[in-house]
Amino acid sequence: NAGVTQTPKFQVLKTGQSMTLQCAQDMNHEYMSWYRQDPGMGLRLIHYSVGAGITDQGEVPNGYNVSRSTTEDFPLRLLSAAPSQTSVYFCASREGANLDTQYFGPGTRLTVL
Amino acid sequence: QQQVKQSPQSLIVQKGGISIINCAYENTAFDYFPWYQQFPGKGPALLIAIRPDVSEKKEGRFTISFNKSAKQFSLHIMDSQPGDSATYFCAAKGPGRRALTFGSGTRLQVQP
Repeated sequence: NAGVTQTPKFQVLKTGQSMTLQCAQDMNHEYMSWYRQDPGMGLRLIHYSVGAGITDQGEVPNGYNVSRSTTEDFPLRLLSAAPSQTSVYFCASREGANLDTQYFGPGTRLTVL
Repeated sequence: QQQVKQSPQSLIVQKGGISIINCAYENTAFDYFPWYQQFPGKGPALLIAIRPDVSEKKEGRFTISFNKSAKQFSLHIMDSQPGDSATYFCAAKGPGRRALTFGSGTRLQVQP
């Protein structure tokens, strides 16, 4: 099992550009989520999904879009990048409501100039 | 609104010493309290977790102490080793909430 994979590892964007951060898991987990990690602020939830076709907003959803067409994939789209979106992004998945099975991906470090 | 407050921000401990990281929460509906360990360049990984029906949980050198009345919980790392040097996050989840609320993190450095 590869677990949770994320691509790219690093990305630099200019203000106003759009891009998609990819996340995939091979554990057949129902729940997937996106967090951003900023210095001194821990991880904050952006969007989450409880299954294919079902998504919902987290704590800081503005400027981001998600979709979940398959169980395996949960891409995060930045619609029009802003410097405030400079952060490290983590995708996570877990088996249903069991948080003891939550696994995080290795992260994508995004810089918006 | 920061629902989980973590302290200290950073901690330096000598090898063999005890590392203690504290968290306080506000929402009395929280019912799951995990600790995550994160090494540089990696994603967080679940270290140990507790539910409020017990006051302490131990796994090897790692212990969570939970004080429901004070709304506090802490991570104790016994016999700290240089390999324990990492950032530690506490978190909490309540019933009906889909995801975790994280503390701000503690950077632990264990000196040889």
